[in-house]
Amino acid sequence: DVKVTQSSRYLVKRTGEKVFLECVQDMDHENMFWYRQDPGLGLRLIYFSYDVKMKEKGDIPEGYSVSREKKERFSLILESASTNQTSMYLCASSITRQNTGELFFGEGSRLTVL
Amino acid sequence: GNSVTQMEGPVTLSEEAFLTINCTYTATGYPSLFWYVQYPGEGLQLLLKATKADDKGSNKGFEATYRKETTSFHLEKGSVQVSDSAVYFCAPRYNNNDMRFGAGTRLTVKP
Repeated sequence: DVKVTQSSRYLVKRTGEKVFLECVQDMDHENMFWYRQDPGLGLRLIYFSYDVKMKEKGDIPEGYSVSREKKERFSLILESASTNQTSMYLCASSITRQNTGELFFGEGSRLTVL
Repeated sequence: GNSVTQMEGPVTLSEEAFLTINCTYTATGYPSLFWYVQYPGEGLQLLLKATKADDKGSNKGFEATYRKETTSFHLEKGSVQVSDSAVYFCAPRYNNNDMRFGAGTRLTVKP
């Protein structure tokens, strides 16, 4: 089975802190994604990566950056956390570069910024 | 831009009732269509999918048919169980990096 592992299930940070969210997938997938999930808004794409060191902005990239130094690992970085970044963050991966493939999700990281 | 609209929740049903959750999407290009389910405290997992017009996806008693003419992909189940209580997301995938998610519909099934 494909496994997408997010390093932290729950984090509490203070405004202005730097936050790292780590995601690792074990199935050699090319594509990796970071989404943010908020009630009533569904999932919104923050960043997408289709290869090592490659990244594309999604719908809401402001206040976030990403890093993909190895194929299996995709990190989301909040340079200076703010209270409006309190949310559930979901990492996903997929194998195909076409639109027919499903995304495999991690269990999520719930971030609270005080 | 591309978008998806699904039925707002929450939906509360009694066990063995019939379930429909409506989903419509914008018709740009030819998306593949997915339904995901999120159980409490977990990430999203694929429930079913359809990749071309008139395809029917099915899994665990749930079904949805790709209706190109009405740009819809409604989720149905003939007899829900308590264990089906979860949040359901409709998600068209337009291309490699454009997968849209609906707002989610929370289903609660009571014994």
